[in-house]
Amino acid sequence: EDQVTQSPEALRLQEGESSSLNCSYTVSGLRGLFWYRQDPGKGPEFLFTLYSAGEEKEKERLKATLTKKESFLHITAPKPEDSATYLCAAFFNTNAGKSTFGDGTTLTVKP
Amino acid sequence: EAQVTQNPRYLITVTGKKLTVTCSQNMNHEYMSWYRQDPGLGLRQIYYSMNVEVTDKGDVPEGYKVSRKEKRNFPLILESPSPNQTSLYFCASSFKGTGELFFGEGSRLTVL
Repeated sequence: EDQVTQSPEALRLQEGESSSLNCSYTVSGLRGLFWYRQDPGKGPEFLFTLYSAGEEKEKERLKATLTKKESFLHITAPKPEDSATYLCAAFFNTNAGKSTFGDGTTLTVKP
Repeated sequence: EAQVTQNPRYLITVTGKKLTVTCSQNMNHEYMSWYRQDPGLGLRQIYYSMNVEVTDKGDVPEGYKVSRKEKRNFPLILESPSPNQTSLYFCASSFKGTGELFFGEGSRLTVL
């Protein structure tokens, strides 16, 4: 069964304290791995797409990487405004249109 | 402004009373999808549509119906809602199902 698992469930950081969020997947025929940010009471907002192992994408303080079994979202020198829930999702080659989301990591950055 | 619009945003209803949650996008996207989000269970896909008149089941389709008669609209129909369908619902769209989804603001549904 295709699964996407995120860890940790929650992460509390001090402002400026860098860390990483993990997304591991057991899927056959991964078409793409996606990262989203979700603020309370809002819909998820697209951050990154990764298609192949070794690929990296960056945006401000965030950097996403992909291996054959997992993806990391690295947060460098976070600020309080980075506090949100971060979701990863997998789309598949075998069933175009079907997606599986992880449960998310809730990040809190304290000033 | 590019957006996905859902209505209603909040709804309290009773068991068995049919309801429809509308979803409309103005980006000419071919792909649209419905998700429900529950604490501890994350986002789960209900139905998706690759294009007009083409719909398919996601992971949790039971108790839901959808239709895609026009490209911009993808309503979610609950024929006979039950309390276990109390949830936060999101509609999303993308160009050709690439996975770079645009989400609506969500519809919080409570079934008593």
